[in-house]
Amino acid sequence: QVQLVESGGGLVKPGGSLRISCVASGFSFSDYYMTWFRQAPGKGLECVSFISGSSGDTQYAASVRGRFTISRDNAKNSLYLQMDSLRVEDTAVYYCARPSREPGDWGQGTLVTVSP
Amino acid sequence: DVVMTQSPLSLAVTLGQPASISCRSSQSLVYSDGNTYLSWFQQRPGQSPRRLIYKVSNRDSGVPNRFSGSESGTDFTLKISRVEAEDVGNYYCMQGAHWPWTFGQGTKVEIK
Repeated sequence: QVQLVESGGGLVKPGGSLRISCVASGFSFSDYYMTWFRQAPGKGLECVSFISGSSGDTQYAASVRGRFTISRDNAKNSLYLQMDSLRVEDTAVYYCARPSREPGDWGQGTLVTVSP
Repeated sequence: DVVMTQSPLSLAVTLGQPASISCRSSQSLVYSDGNTYLSWFQQRPGQSPRRLIYKVSNRDSGVPNRFSGSESGTDFTLKISRVEAEDVGNYYCMQGAHWPWTFGQGTKVEIK
């Protein structure tokens, strides 16, 4: 069965950096676009970024463009999100999901807290 | 960005009664491949989102058949024919036709 397991969340100060990861299993990882979503505490869902199977196609939400970088390592069945210049408003649970346009599989999420 | 306007934002339903959630998109959700990328998600407290419906009306495996999706132009509807206690949670519509994918504000479903 499909499994997506995020890790790497934690507490970071404004302006700091963090890299979160998602390890996939149960499907041919390299065949799928993957997406990061996030959900601020008590708020709704927001898409952050997606990446194609070959890494040739990436997109970012305007709120993170220039600060976040999505990447993947198909040999390790892993998806990453490098988050730089973090802001308090980036505080959220970050989920990886697939496929991109209509995500049917989600991880359990990893909490990123940006606080002074 | 495509705006997804969801209503109502909260809904209290008697067990066994029907419920309906509406989602209106600010533009067509038909992608160049001819598909309409409108999905519905359920999120129970403390859990990850769970997809219920994809491409407007296709029910996911394991989703009870009391859940159904429909469309009329840019208006989309999720219906629960008879609400059960396990249906409590937040429901979101999402469009995947135009980047950035966008969600409705969510509808909180409670039992009356």
